Amino acid sequence: DAGVIQSPRHEVTEMGQEVTLRCKPISGHNSLFWYRQTMMRGLELLIYFNNNVPIDDSGMPEDRFSAKMPNASFSTLKIQPSEPRDSAVYFCAAQENSNQPQHFGDGTRLSIL
Amino acid sequence: AQSVTQLGSHVSVSEGALVLLRCNYSSSVPPYLFWYVQYPNQGLQLLLKYTSAATLVKGINGFEAEFKKSETSFHLTKPSAHMSDAAEYFCATNAGGTSYGKLTFGQGTILTVHP
Repeated sequence: DAGVIQSPRHEVTEMGQEVTLRCKPISGHNSLFWYRQTMMRGLELLIYFNNNVPIDDSGMPEDRFSAKMPNASFSTLKIQPSEPRDSAVYFCAAQENSNQPQHFGDGTRLSIL
Repeated sequence: AQSVTQLGSHVSVSEGALVLLRCNYSSSVPPYLFWYVQYPNQGLQLLLKYTSAATLVKGINGFEAEFKKSETSFHLTKPSAHMSDAAEYFCATNAGGTSYGKLTFGQGTILTVHP
């Protein structure tokens, strides 16, 4: 299995632009998690899905952030409009069921200028 | 509410020395506990997991952790550090497999290994 695949690996854009981060989870893994990692705040859970349905989005920092999971093999995290303070590494993780560990992608390093 | 606390944001050891990374948990139900490692520019990789079977759990790369209920601890150890062990380590908990598998992470411990 290829594991969790995230794209792009790096993104640099100017503030105000729309940013879309993509995640392809492991086949058969029913839960998907989006995290943000920064030096200041560490690893933060933004939102997670179970069977494509958003379960808890309380970690989404603002309305500028949105996430979708239109099917079991694809999810997006969108920031519109982006701001410099959104600069971070964003991770996607997949989980087969609630008793199993989460498997992480290699992340997207986002820089907003 | 479940939580984990990692004692020491930075740990430095010499190559060949014992590695000890500390993690304490608080949970109202028997917890599931995990240790993850993060190498530079990579995602988190599972080292080992405790799910209420054996209290001593062996993981990859020679690491192991012992679940001690009386101390509410799940410390990570390795008898002999290698240069390649330098990374950041995260302890995490998922209280008894509930909450759709949502994990609560510690703040991380950066391990430095000196020659």
